[in-house]
Amino acid sequence: DGGITQSPKYLFRKEGQNVTLSCEQNLNHDAMYWYRQDPGQGLRLIYYSQIVNDFQKGDIAEGYSVSREKKESFPLTVTSAQKNPTAFYLCASSENYEQYFGPGTRLTVT
Amino acid sequence: AQTVTQSQPEMSVQEAETVTLSCTYDTSENNYYLFWYKQPPSRQMILVIRQEAYKQQNATENRFSVNFQKAAKSFSLKISDSQLGDTAMYFCAFMKRDSGYALNFGKGTSLLVTP
Repeated sequence: DGGITQSPKYLFRKEGQNVTLSCEQNLNHDAMYWYRQDPGQGLRLIYYSQIVNDFQKGDIAEGYSVSREKKESFPLTVTSAQKNPTAFYLCASSENYEQYFGPGTRLTVT
Repeated sequence: AQTVTQSQPEMSVQEAETVTLSCTYDTSENNYYLFWYKQPPSRQMILVIRQEAYKQQNATENRFSVNFQKAAKSFSLKISDSQLGDTAMYFCAFMKRDSGYALNFGKGTSLLVTP
């Protein structure tokens, strides 16, 4: 089955710790994206990558970092510098002007 | 910068009735793509319908259709014969060329379909 996987579904961390969210796709798409969703808000763009070994900041990149060492993988690290990390995080990949979303990871930081 | 506005935070419709969700956007581009996504309680984002701005004909997908008014920068979604399974958050989105074709989302409309 082709698709996007995100793991884990729920993630809990203590304040001050970095945490890495996984995103893997087997759709052979070049472009991948990370979005954040908060209650009452639409999705907001954190980072995107159009090709391996290249990525760009989105609208709310502060406190986050990414890497794109392989076409199928685009992990997101939430650093301790992110002031309000608790949120729902969605990964997506894109082809022909359509985006395909993973199931998301709910991150809770206490 | 492009902005997407959904002015109806919540809506309710009875099963089998028709409901229209509003969306307006702002852009200086001439060629672009617009989307409606559905997010049910599972939180999986599901593409409902897509509209290319250069096409004058409104997109339709079964019970879902759009009213695309390019000059007015309006992109409303009509759901006909509403079903209980249509209960979800609905997001309007604009595809941004200057951000690697990422999506710019509105804040969403929560739709409740009642028996």
